[in-house]
Amino acid sequence: DVKVTQSSRYLVKRTGEKVFLECVQDMDHENMFWYRQDPGLGLRLIYFSYDVKMKEKGDIPEGYSVSREKKERFSLILESASTNQTSMYLCASSSQGAIYEQYFGPGTRLTVT
Amino acid sequence: QKEVEQNSGPLSVPEGAIASLNCTYSDRGSQSFFWYRQYSGKSPELIMFIYSNGDKEDGRFTAQLNKASQYVSLLIRDSQPSDSATYLCAVTGGSYIPTFGRGTSLIVHP
Repeated sequence: DVKVTQSSRYLVKRTGEKVFLECVQDMDHENMFWYRQDPGLGLRLIYFSYDVKMKEKGDIPEGYSVSREKKERFSLILESASTNQTSMYLCASSSQGAIYEQYFGPGTRLTVT
Repeated sequence: QKEVEQNSGPLSVPEGAIASLNCTYSDRGSQSFFWYRQYSGKSPELIMFIYSNGDKEDGRFTAQLNKASQYVSLLIRDSQPSDSATYLCAVTGGSYIPTFGRGTSLIVHP
């Protein structure tokens, strides 16, 4: 079974703080993704990575950055958290052999006050 | 801009009925189509995928694809209350990055 884990289920941060969200997968997947999910807006892609140290912007990268130093770990960084970044953040991974089939982590509900 | 459209619902069906969930997409070059199920407070879980025109069956689930009409549907036979969830349609084209619809909420009532 693919396992994708995220560092926190719930997180509360203050405006202006730097926030790190961590994602780890244990299936040696090449591809990893960060999404945010908001009511009425669905899943929106923030960044993705298809290899170590490689990253590509998704649909809404503004205000975010990412880091992938090891194959199994993909971090999302909010450089200066703002209230409009309050959301559910979902990490996903997929293999090169089945690149379309994404497996999601449990999500981190981030609240920025 | 690629678009994937789903009726937000909720779609309410009685237990034992067939639930029909529909999805349309704008990009004619789309190649792969996926259905994810998301229970309230949980993350999406892949339940079906289809690449070719026609039907694909897996247990109580059938995915139907019509590329000419640019729609994909998910049928759930013998619906159970445990099927109550939001169903997300996802579509990929030349890149392997899926575009997700906003999801349809399904309620199966006893």
